[in-house]
Amino acid sequence: DTGVSQDPRHKITKRGQNVTFRCDPISEHNRLYWYRQTLGQGPEFLTYFQNEAQLEKSRLLSDRFSAERPKGSFSTLEIQRTEQGDSAMYLCASTRTGNYNEQFFGPGTRLTVL
Amino acid sequence: KNEVEQSPQNLTAQEGEFITINCSYSVGISALHWLQQHPGGGIVSLFMLSSGKKKHGRLIATINIQEKHSSLHITASHPRDSAVYICAVEGSYNQGGKLIFGQGTELSVKP
Repeated sequence: DTGVSQDPRHKITKRGQNVTFRCDPISEHNRLYWYRQTLGQGPEFLTYFQNEAQLEKSRLLSDRFSAERPKGSFSTLEIQRTEQGDSAMYLCASTRTGNYNEQFFGPGTRLTVL
Repeated sequence: KNEVEQSPQNLTAQEGEFITINCSYSVGISALHWLQQHPGGGIVSLFMLSSGKKKHGRLIATINIQEKHSSLHITASHPRDSAVYICAVEGSYNQGGKLIFGQGTELSVKP
């Protein structure tokens, strides 16, 4: 257990439905990252927050995706009108800024879009 | 071409063998990470390094900044080392600390 939790761990949904995932980082960590990992591939960056500010979004993050970190603590990632191509593992990681930005990863949320 | 390339993609070893996984990258970096991912998804950080060599137990990580290359070595491998090993870099142009990942090396150690 790294101290980063994600909920739910698994989500099966039908195409066109909206889904929301939650990440709870380690409490003193001010940076929070979302990554997506498809089968057999390494993770890819989606977006990150420093405190409550969303500072960067990948081009992978279409307008169907939105992420928030309202009080600089937990974060949510919402996918609207899901597509089969959204099926992946969604990983959250957190770190505290400094000279050595070791990232602590959550267990991931596996999304299956039918 | 991916910015981070790993080799081999798959590796099968017998228990006790010395294992090397290689990582090459094409961008300037501020740090390189080696990560371990077990079935089910959880990722654990093994090493973060920006120069030289680090050792933790049976694991050794080295980096050559000039050649843009890093290696992860496992000595006296054991079946519990079976996992996916991922190399990831923080670009030196990137102030946000986001990671750029290789595709991973799937290691299977047979008893």
